Amino acid sequence: GIQVEQSPPDLILQEGANSTLRCNFSDSVNNLQWFHQNPWGQLINLFYIPSGTKQNGRLSATTVATERYSLLYISSSQTTDSGVYFCAVEREDTGRRALTFGSGTRLQVQP
Amino acid sequence: DGGITQSPKYLFRKEGQNVTLSCEQNLNHDAMYWYRQDPGQGLRLIYYSQIVNDFQKGDIAEGYSVSREKKESFPLTVTSAQKNPTAFYLCASSIDRRGQETQYFGPGTRLLVL
Repeated sequence: GIQVEQSPPDLILQEGANSTLRCNFSDSVNNLQWFHQNPWGQLINLFYIPSGTKQNGRLSATTVATERYSLLYISSSQTTDSGVYFCAVEREDTGRRALTFGSGTRLQVQP
Repeated sequence: DGGITQSPKYLFRKEGQNVTLSCEQNLNHDAMYWYRQDPGQGLRLIYYSQIVNDFQKGDIAEGYSVSREKKESFPLTVTSAQKNPTAFYLCASSIDRRGQETQYFGPGTRLLVL
């Protein structure tokens, strides 16, 4: 199956700092999503981004499909950004229509 | 409000017992999914369904069963054959149309074995 690697595994920031989270994947994909899991376990979809660049407020994401990686940028971080960020992909040209998740980046934003 | 509901929030299972986790959505989504999350880990796919009365095994289907009799509902049964069921279980749904596969998650059920 497809491999999804996220880095760094853990990240501690001071409030107001910027950060970049990376997701590498081992095969061509037709679906890539970024999620945020809050401390209570709820997952929220941040971006659906199989290619290109999108922005939503302080967050933006870029996927370079030909080089098999995606980046999530968090600017001016806030304590509410804390939690785990997951990248998930769907491999292209398979009959399986479901996501494979990476192991996540655990972010802690300190006041 | 539209969304995905899961119940119960916490569930305790005795050895040898089957338990069923509920997942309901009113988003009119075609596809539904069950994932398992162990502490400090990512999500692993148990089962998914793209249409009523059809479902497919994911990566860790052994010891689990599902049904999809209605579009809104996708219950998961954790059978006694699942030897290590303690985990956080998450249900999700999506429109399942190319270019619109954003998945939306329920709040989860924490299953503990007594």
